[in-house]
Amino acid sequence: DQQVKQNSPSLSVQEGRISILNCDYTNSMFDYFLWYKKYPAEGPTFLISISSIKDKNEDGRFTVFLNKSAKHLSLHIVPSQPGDSAVYFCAASRGRGTYKYIFGTGTRLKVLA
Amino acid sequence: DVKVTQSSRYLVKRTGEKVFLECVQDMDHENMFWYRQDPGLGLRLIYFSYDVKMKEKGDIPEGYSVSREKKERFSLILESASTNQTSMYLCASSSTRGLDQPQHFGDGTRLSIL
Repeated sequence: DQQVKQNSPSLSVQEGRISILNCDYTNSMFDYFLWYKKYPAEGPTFLISISSIKDKNEDGRFTVFLNKSAKHLSLHIVPSQPGDSAVYFCAASRGRGTYKYIFGTGTRLKVLA
Repeated sequence: DVKVTQSSRYLVKRTGEKVFLECVQDMDHENMFWYRQDPGLGLRLIYFSYDVKMKEKGDIPEGYSVSREKKERFSLILESASTNQTSMYLCASSSTRGLDQPQHFGDGTRLSIL
């Protein structure tokens, strides 16, 4: 049973426009969420996170939104740049300090120049 | 910067061999993790360790074991390699100091079992 779902395997966006990556989860006990970015032949790198006490967290061009009632989070990248082309994974954790993440299957973002 | 180093980027082994994947982190992190990444399946947790000599099973531990004799080193062992263990293996570490510390990943080992 996939507890964290990324239903779009791929997404193409024009440079300078907004990229929106979506993630849904089923377990209401999840209370910490993260986004990772992965380039080919490299390990995932941490991008941004949000705890369940917030509904928005922003870091430069990256903003994560959390809708607890819908069990949905999204990552917005504005403006998108060609260097943002990568696979993006969302992850969720149950309980502050449990340290275990459940990852989604990833969305491949392609930013077109 | 956190550095998580996996000993091999690419590895080719034969069915039935015992395979060791090594991971070292330099940030004195308490937690270490082994994942495998497969197309369409994302990252799946094999084992993790929250202290030296401590280990816990993740979601897919069958066919694997781990060893953590020193804080900085976490080894994944394929007891008798099989072709369905061909995959990308990722090691990660994280700190327990402060809440919500993200995991930091190595660059992965692409393992092929022939």
